[in-house]
Amino acid sequence: SQTIHQWPATLVQPVGSPLSLECTVEGTSNPNLYWYRQAAGRGLQLLFYSVDIGQISSEVPQNLSASRPQDRQFILSSKKLLLSDSGFYLCAWSGGMGSYNSPLHFGNGTRLTVT
Amino acid sequence: AQTVTQSQPEMSVQEAETVTLSCTYDTSESDYYLFWYKQPPSRQMILVIRQEAYKQQNATENRFSVNFQKAAKSFSLKISDSQLGDAAMYFCAYRRGDTNAGKSTFGDGTTLTVKP
Repeated sequence: SQTIHQWPATLVQPVGSPLSLECTVEGTSNPNLYWYRQAAGRGLQLLFYSVDIGQISSEVPQNLSASRPQDRQFILSSKKLLLSDSGFYLCAWSGGMGSYNSPLHFGNGTRLTVT
Repeated sequence: AQTVTQSQPEMSVQEAETVTLSCTYDTSESDYYLFWYKQPPSRQMILVIRQEAYKQQNATENRFSVNFQKAAKSFSLKISDSQLGDAAMYFCAYRRGDTNAGKSTFGDGTTLTVKP
């Protein structure tokens, strides 16, 4: 069966510090990978998605970047965090090519607090 | 761009009763998929139910069913025999069906409270 791991679960970082959140998927090949951010009590905002190794699409101009160094690994990064980067970050995967009706499968999320 | 609107920020239901959560969407596409996701207090998002736009029959999953009105662009979720474990935030989501990227657009969610 497929599983998705996201870490860390919580993170408190000072303004100006770097960020690295990691997500890995097991049990499937060539997944589509996504990073979402959720503001408190709100819906999900898509930040980045990837349909292949090394391919990243950005949805929202921001202080963050993403990378996909391996087929089932997705990393969210920042060189210098801003206060506005605080939030709940969710990694997700869905079926790749041809799996158009595949739902999203989410990790447990990372609560990031920038102080 | 597609938009998804959930007009009910909060809903409550008595245990064992039925509740309906509303969702409307705006799209010019003809090929798409609709989903309802549940986010309990643990914040783990899980799929509740999905609907293919080309199917006229409403999807059902045990106590969960949808009322899909394609012309009206409406996709409501009905929860029957509500249980305490149904208390969560529910999100409606839209996904285009003609692209591999499969980006999903989410509504702002409806918080459901179940009263014992």
